[in-house]
Amino acid sequence: DIQMTQSPSSVSASVGDRVTITCRASQGISSRLAWYQQKPGKAPKLLIYAAYSLQSGVPSRFSGSGSGTDFTLTISSLQSEDFATYFCQQTDSFALTFGGGTKVEIK
Amino acid sequence: EVQLLDSGGGLVQPGGSLRLSCSASGFTFSNYAMSWVRQAPGKGLEWVSAIGSGGYNIYYADSVRGRFTVSRDNSKKTLYLQMNSLRAEDTAVYYCARQGIPVSGTRWFDPWGQGTLVTVSS
Repeated sequence: DIQMTQSPSSVSASVGDRVTITCRASQGISSRLAWYQQKPGKAPKLLIYAAYSLQSGVPSRFSGSGSGTDFTLTISSLQSEDFATYFCQQTDSFALTFGGGTKVEIK
Repeated sequence: EVQLLDSGGGLVQPGGSLRLSCSASGFTFSNYAMSWVRQAPGKGLEWVSAIGSGGYNIYYADSVRGRFTVSRDNSKKTLYLQMNSLRAEDTAVYYCARQGIPVSGTRWFDPWGQGTLVTVSS
């Protein structure tokens, strides 16, 4: 199975900050990566698919980059509603796997 | 509105069985592959099983293979997960999720159901 390693596991940031989360795959997955946001008690929400494609309705402050094994999710200017946990997922092959998550907390 | 509604969770004893359902609306269910994903309390996300749009291409995580069975009824727009020989480590919120774009083999998840809690305990 492809292992997905996310870092950091948590980050403290203030409104307006730029936040970067990284995800590394244990083998090359081209651009087959998705990013999700999850708030407490809620289902995950798709933010980015195919590494850099913004899902409809997602604010443009979210962006994704990378290919192969190294990927990044960037929030350009953190808003209060962005405090949540973020997960990456490889969409390359079964068994589909997720990163361990990054919790974005208020500083 | 595209919507998935999970149901069927509950408290079950170790070794017991449970069947989860996911009712779809707002889209052509028979065009999409579907998956089940679970999340243990306070933990991350774990993909469990996937089924192709016609019900013929089926995949399982190693942790559930041989115990869980995924199926679908396209006439009823419903996805199922039959869970047998349940263990304490199967305790989680179970989400159904629609996969990517029809016929494309894409495997991101959107949308997700609201989740249903399965608790395996004596």
